[in-house]
Amino acid sequence: GAVVSQHPSRVICKSGTSVKIECRSLDFQATTMFWYRQFPKQSLMLMATSNEGSKATYEQGVEKDKFLINHASLTLSTLTVTSAHPEDSSFYICSARAVPFVGRGASYNEQFFGPGTRLTVL
Amino acid sequence: GEDVEQSLFLSVREGDSSVINCTYTDSSSTYLYWYKQEPGAGLQLLTYIFSNMDMKQDQRLTVLLNKKDKHLSLRIADTQTGDSAIYFCAESIFQAGTALIFGKGTTLSVSS
Repeated sequence: GAVVSQHPSRVICKSGTSVKIECRSLDFQATTMFWYRQFPKQSLMLMATSNEGSKATYEQGVEKDKFLINHASLTLSTLTVTSAHPEDSSFYICSARAVPFVGRGASYNEQFFGPGTRLTVL
Repeated sequence: GEDVEQSLFLSVREGDSSVINCTYTDSSSTYLYWYKQEPGAGLQLLTYIFSNMDMKQDQRLTVLLNKKDKHLSLRIADTQTGDSAIYFCAESIFQAGTALIFGKGTTLSVSS
């Protein structure tokens, strides 16, 4: 299946610093990537939809100036957590939707998930 | 509204069958998915079902969909200790370009 990588897998930073997380589709192109956040023992909550070459669409309650998303190419989207605070500590997961649809038919909406990035803000 | 509900925990013995249940509220869902998440890892797609299907079987996995009751289940036959993980039910409303809506996940614990 298609592979999505995230870097770094874990990051610990001091409060007030910024952290950049990369999401790459390794063997396919993705016009759309999604960023999710997962708190311990909770579900994945969609933060934003990232479309290549255009501005990201943020979900209600997600501060776009705090969580900067850049989808500069068909294989890379980045999420930058600016001025991080301890409450930003979480597991951040990206997913990418392949174009063309990989192996499953034109109407299939499979998203390939990255392994996640564990952010701890001290 | 969009809401996906799952029971939080399930505990089974190795070799038994596991049944994880999910309910959703949006009748316009087109695809319903089951994902597996092992500790500290990302999500792995297990299987999916299109909303006009009632059942899908894939090796040890059987998905049943009751569209009238908006109920989805995942049955794992001959459950193994390696099946211990969190299982997420998810739905998508449209065919293209939309994010998935996830349930809170069911933690499956398999004892030997």
